[in-house]
Order: sequence, then C-alpha cells, then structure tokens
Amino acid sequence: EADIYQTPRYLVIGTGKKITLECSQTMGHDKMYWYQQDPGMELHLIHYSYGVNSTEKGDLSSESTVSRIRTEHFPLTLESARPSHTSQYLCASQYQETQYFGPGTRLLVL
Amino acid sequence: AQTVTQSQPEMSVQEAETVTLSCTYDTSESNYYLFWYKQPPSRQMILVIRQEAYKQQNATENRFSVNFQKAAKSFSLKISDSQLGDTAMYFCAFMNRDDKIIFGKGTRLHILP
Repeated sequence: EADIYQTPRYLVIGTGKKITLECSQTMGHDKMYWYQQDPGMELHLIHYSYGVNSTEKGDLSSESTVSRIRTEHFPLTLESARPSHTSQYLCASQYQETQYFGPGTRLLVL
Repeated sequence: AQTVTQSQPEMSVQEAETVTLSCTYDTSESNYYLFWYKQPPSRQMILVIRQEAYKQQNATENRFSVNFQKAAKSFSLKISDSQLGDTAMYFCAFMNRDDKIIFGKGTRLHILP
C-alpha cells in the first residue's frame, strides 16, 4: 500500500487563473501518474513519470504540464484554467506492478 | 490497440447475494497484469484484486474472486455475500508492458438492502 496525498481536495476557480494541483507520496515510488476522470466515467492518463526529471504525456491530450524535481512530489499545473478543465484529477504511484491512488482533486472552473 | 470492455454499465443486487461483473480485454502481449478497482461514491479508488497473466490460478481476496480465462481474454469479478459497502463503481483494468494502465468504462454496482 501507499499513502498518496492530493491537495486541494476541491477547487473552484475563475477562467484564466493559473492553478497547481499537488500530489505527494511518502513511499519513495519512482513511477507516478496523473489521470483525468469525469464523474462516473472512465479514467484517462494525462501525464506520467518514471523518476526524477522524467515526465511524459499520456494518451489523453491535456493542456496541463507536470514536473518531477523530487521523487515524492509530482505537481500538475494549468497555466490558464478554462471551463473545459472542469473534472476530477487523480494522482497515483506504483509499487510492484500495482498503482495506488490518491483521493483526487475535484476542479470546477467557472 | 489495447482495450478493456465492461459490458454492464449498471447492476443492482440484493444484499447477501452473489454478483459477477464481466470484463474482456484485447492485447497481443503474453505477460501482463489485470486489476479490479473499486471507487465508492465520492471516495478514493482502491484496489480490489490483482491477477498476473502468467499465473493460471484465479486470484481471491476474501469475498472477491476472479475468473481469469486467458485464451478468451476474459476477467470477471465475483463478489460473494454482497454487502451495502460494496456499492461502488468497479473498474476493470489492464497494465501493459510499459506500466500504463488501460481502464474500462466501469460498472456501477448497487447493493440493495
């Protein structure tokens, strides 16, 4: 098991604002992932990292960016939020071929 | 392309009954991992059960068991003695050789009192 922390849990923000969604894990896992999930729908991979200074885009095109400066920290940034970014964002880390998920951030862009 | 298909968008069963959720997948890989994840309403996604494709024995975790048919590319989840707390969205998932997970669209399961 892994402890995955995500902040904020809920965020309501206006169009055009810059936002950063935080994700951290305390287990030293190298592999981390960001997924986007609309309510009651499937998950789509938007970014992943296999270690420090390694980041890749996922299968779903996203206007967000990520960074991986420290093993435990994998933040996601939206430079200019739009209503189309309204969704839930899930962070996960991987240990032995199993991914463990954080509680998610529900984002509403007005 | 690798895909995961869950053919039951929504199901309802009475408490204490047994329910089976279906999942099929498509891949050309020979070794991979399959998962069932549970996402209760407004709560965290948690792992229910994991199956390694090279293991013929079906995985079990307490009341949860799978029927893994590799040749048919089928991976169903059986929940025995269902409980109210089993109400959730259940996602079948496949992990490929690049450690990327492909999720199905999910089955919404309601356990009725």
